Amino acid sequence: GAGVSQSPSNKVTEKGKDVELRCDPISGHTALYWYRQSLGQGLEFLIYFQGNSAPDKSGLPSDRFSAERTGGSVSTLTIQRTQQEDSAVYLCASSFRLDTDTQYFGPGTRLTVL
Amino acid sequence: GQNIDQPTEMTATEGAIVQINCTYQTSGFNGLFWYQQHAGEAPTFLSYNVLDGLEEKGRFSSFLSRSKGYSYLLLKELQMKDSASYLCALPTGGGNKLTFGTGTQLKVEL
Repeated sequence: GAGVSQSPSNKVTEKGKDVELRCDPISGHTALYWYRQSLGQGLEFLIYFQGNSAPDKSGLPSDRFSAERTGGSVSTLTIQRTQQEDSAVYLCASSFRLDTDTQYFGPGTRLTVL
Repeated sequence: GQNIDQPTEMTATEGAIVQINCTYQTSGFNGLFWYQQHAGEAPTFLSYNVLDGLEEKGRFSSFLSRSKGYSYLLLKELQMKDSASYLCALPTGGGNKLTFGTGTQLKVEL
């Protein structure tokens, strides 16, 4: 079946603009995760959803970052007033359930803030 | 927090065997994951060790010792396509998120 998909694949924006990144998880997966990967850095956890609920938002770097999930499916990650340090690849993953179930990753959105 | 250490880079020859180590300082977790990531692509799942010992899956094997905070990924009969970054990751936050090491960039040469 189809894997995790993300859009756009690339996004170039100017400092101070808002951006929205979209993730479509694998059908039937209840858990969804957002990570980001900066150049030379490991994957950094941002947030996860169980259904439409996000119990742990501690990984979000600042209050400029927010995420939502609707219908237990699609999720959007919004970054307001983007800064150059937000430039990274934003990866989405999904799993059938929480609690150490294998996470399957999407291709990512490469965000460049000029 | 967790300190997850992996070598930054490794180079090996096509057809050879390579072992990529991962050490960590944490407790109370459930298992360890290994992912492969080719440049510009998404990480793909390789293995999950929940118990101590060796798990073999084709050319790839993964080992875990929870008491020693140590894991390794063993790649046999290396192929050029195995050139990639290999990431170890621990389930944290009650198992609801993954904490990744910075990855080991493996280069396979002729």
